[in-house]
Amino acid sequence: GAGVSQSPSNKVTEKGKDVELRCDPISGHTALYWYRQSLGQGLEFLIYFQGNSAPDKSGLPSDRFSAERTGGSVSTLTIQRTQQEDSAVYLCASSVRVRSTDTQYFGPGTRLTVL
Amino acid sequence: GENVEQHPSTLSVQEGDSAVIKCTYSDSASNYFPWYKQELGKRPQLIIDIRSNVGEKKDQRIAVTLNKTAKHFSLHITETQPEDSAVYFCAAKRSGGGADGLTFGKGTHLIIQP
Repeated sequence: GAGVSQSPSNKVTEKGKDVELRCDPISGHTALYWYRQSLGQGLEFLIYFQGNSAPDKSGLPSDRFSAERTGGSVSTLTIQRTQQEDSAVYLCASSVRVRSTDTQYFGPGTRLTVL
Repeated sequence: GENVEQHPSTLSVQEGDSAVIKCTYSDSASNYFPWYKQELGKRPQLIIDIRSNVGEKKDQRIAVTLNKTAKHFSLHITETQPEDSAVYFCAAKRSGGGADGLTFGKGTHLIIQP
């Protein structure tokens, strides 16, 4: 079946502009995660959603970052007033549930470049 | 929070030889340890995982071992092939739900020399 999809695949923006990144999880998956991967680095956990529940935002790097999930499916990660250090690949993952041992399946990512 | 250390950062082996990548974790509450393979420009793909109630798991040429007492786990790839060349990430996740996400190591760039 269809895997996790993300859009856009690439985004180039100017410093100070806002950007929105979209994630479509695997159908039926109730848990959704956002990660950030900087060049040559591992993945850094940002935020997760379980169904329609309000997310735990404590992992977000600053208050310029926010995320929402509408209807328990599609999620949008918004970065306001982008900075050059926000340049990275933003990866979304989903799992059937939010149990610790459930496999997370990753999307292809959105490569964000802030000029 | 959890901290995962991964070594080595780069590993070069001859085709046909074995490769071992090691990770340590800090949070004794972690109970799930997946390994992901990421080819250049591609998404991370799960290759094997292990839960804390098991000491070893094998899937064809790939095996993972877990030592809960020492808080370390390792990935073993035997009879390496050119298509094994990629960046491998270990990760750990604590019990109690998804709030913590996966904590990843910084990755190992595995190079298979023909």
